[in-house]
Amino acid sequence: DSGVTQTPKHLITATGQRVTLRCSPRSGDLSVYWYQQSLDQGLQFLIQYYNGEERAKGNILERFSAQQFPDLHSELNLSSLELGDSALYFCASSVDPTYYEQYFGPGTRLTVT
Amino acid sequence: AQTVTQSQPEMSVQEAETVTLSCTYDTSESDYYLFWYKQPPSRQMILVIRQEAYKQQNATENRFSVNFQKAAKSFSLKISDSQLGDAAMYFCAYTDYGGATNKLIFGTGTLLAVQP
Repeated sequence: DSGVTQTPKHLITATGQRVTLRCSPRSGDLSVYWYQQSLDQGLQFLIQYYNGEERAKGNILERFSAQQFPDLHSELNLSSLELGDSALYFCASSVDPTYYEQYFGPGTRLTVT
Repeated sequence: AQTVTQSQPEMSVQEAETVTLSCTYDTSESDYYLFWYKQPPSRQMILVIRQEAYKQQNATENRFSVNFQKAAKSFSLKISDSQLGDAAMYFCAYTDYGGATNKLIFGTGTLLAVQP
């Protein structure tokens, strides 16, 4: 158990809908990362937050947005969902944005039908 | 931009034997970290081993060791005395050291099967 929690574990929704994925980092970690794992794109970095502020952005679609709240949990919002958004979404956390080790949560499996 | 390449989509090894997974990367940075992550069927991402680029000595963690060739930009993982529980997808990953972000850049993965 990495100490990073993600909810829900599984999510099935229809095209055009909007969903919110939630992540709670390990106690004491200030930085949160979101990654997407799909058959087409592999494992790719989406976005990073540090202490409530956006730190780095990767290949995140405009339909996706994220934020980190004062209690340090983070949410990834996916809107106007398409079939291609079906993927495993990982959250990871680290002590600070430059510390090398990231701890991964168990992921949220999103299926868009 | 940094890239990570894993040229072996699938590998197979007999239980108790040794297997080597390959990884190459491209970067213009001189300081960075390299990692091997294991993803078993549970889908959990598990850090297996890390290597700091400034260290010449190859990292070792029990049955797992790496062969880090900085000039060749090569970073292979050797698994000795393979066990059934080693069967998983293995990802090679890179991150800059000391930059504004330590986002991970992953390779496409190698699926390792362990035959009894």
